[in-house]
Amino acid sequence: AQSVTQLGSHVSVSEGALVLLRCNYSSSVPPYLFWYVQYPNQGLQLLLKYTSAATLVKGINGFEAEFKKSETSFHLTKPSAHMSDAAEYFCASQMDSSYKLIFGSGTRLLVRP
Amino acid sequence: SQTIHQWPATLVQPVGSPLSLECTVEGTSNPNLYWYRQAAGRGLQLLFYSVGIGQISSEVPQNLSASRPQDRQFILSSKKLLLSDSGFYLCAWNELAGTAYTGELFFGEGSRLTVL
Repeated sequence: AQSVTQLGSHVSVSEGALVLLRCNYSSSVPPYLFWYVQYPNQGLQLLLKYTSAATLVKGINGFEAEFKKSETSFHLTKPSAHMSDAAEYFCASQMDSSYKLIFGSGTRLLVRP
Repeated sequence: SQTIHQWPATLVQPVGSPLSLECTVEGTSNPNLYWYRQAAGRGLQLLFYSVGIGQISSEVPQNLSASRPQDRQFILSSKKLLLSDSGFYLCAWNELAGTAYTGELFFGEGSRLTVL
């Protein structure tokens, strides 16, 4: 069955430090992949998506993610963390044969001043 | 542009009472519609999805039900709430599959349900 694994339920970084949030998917066919951000008591907002075009995907707020088929990974990065980046981040996968998105369990990012 | 609305935003209900959460989408036709639940400290669990009026697929057995009486309206219901139904409920939509389909979901602002 298709699944998405996010390593680390909580990640803490200092302001200005590199942000790295990990996501691995299980699939025999490269799926569509997404990163979403959720601020407290709000819905999810799309950060970026991979749809089999460029393997390095740039999103909003300075985030980017790289699709690596050999590692079945789609890690999210940002060179320099800002306090406003503190939120929960979800990785999601979708096979093109299904409408449904499968979400990882989420990673809460804490940014220390 | 497309928008999605959910209501109520917050709800506190006693155990055994009924539930109705509503979701409407504007600016698109024949969307796929979804209900997700997010329990405290956990990820998103897909509860129901619909690809058309009256077409509902359930992902997990539970005492909740969903209905789609109109093209852009999706309702989540329960006849008798359980304590375990507490959580943050998110409605979402995406486009019907086609050549430009990329599958991304667009989410509402969520409805927080507390069952006491």
